[in-house]
Amino acid sequence: EIVLTQSPGTLSLSLGERATLSCRASQSVSGRYLAWYQQRPGQAPRLLIYDASSRATGIPDRFSGSGSGTDFTLTISRLEPEDLAVYYCQQYGSSPLTFGGGTKVET
Amino acid sequence: QEQLVQSGSELKKPGASVKVSCQASGYSFITYALHWVRQAPGQGLEWMGWINTNTANPTYGQGFTGRFVFSLDTSDSTAYLQISSLKAEDTAIYYCARRTSLAFDMWGQGTKVTVSS
Repeated sequence: EIVLTQSPGTLSLSLGERATLSCRASQSVSGRYLAWYQQRPGQAPRLLIYDASSRATGIPDRFSGSGSGTDFTLTISRLEPEDLAVYYCQQYGSSPLTFGGGTKVET
Repeated sequence: QEQLVQSGSELKKPGASVKVSCQASGYSFITYALHWVRQAPGQGLEWMGWINTNTANPTYGQGFTGRFVFSLDTSDSTAYLQISSLKAEDTAIYYCARRTSLAFDMWGQGTKVTVSS
């Protein structure tokens, strides 16, 4: 099983600042099959990034993903109020599919 | 439009069973697999497994064998999650999610299951 470790657990920033979230895998993620999801309070998760760096439909370009192998990053270039949420990474290249523990972005 | 709509909240006693539904609309139901994800109160996301909507073959993740059953009603474009012999630790929000080449690109709104005496 691939274990995903996200850091930091909580990221405290000001609006307009750049947010950098990390997701480290215990072994190489097959085919760059790494996704990022946003979960706002009381809502279902929403797909932001798939295949490590491709933005899902309707996702603003301030969100970007990068990385390969075991190290992946989600960057929010300028934090907006609606970006305050918990972000999860997920690998979907090998079974069992696994999620990271999440990073909470707050002000 | 494409969407997954889940059944409403459930309050059950320990030892009872619950069946959560996930109805798809706006796309061909049998084209994409459906996955189930659990979120315990204040916790992260946990993958439970998935069901092949074309063959109805289920695959269960570790910790979700025995009491958990995935099933389908393709005539109604609906997937089901049934949990038997409920325990307090089954209290969670259960999500269905569509798996495409774009990972989990669509999620149901979630069904809250509370197990309490």
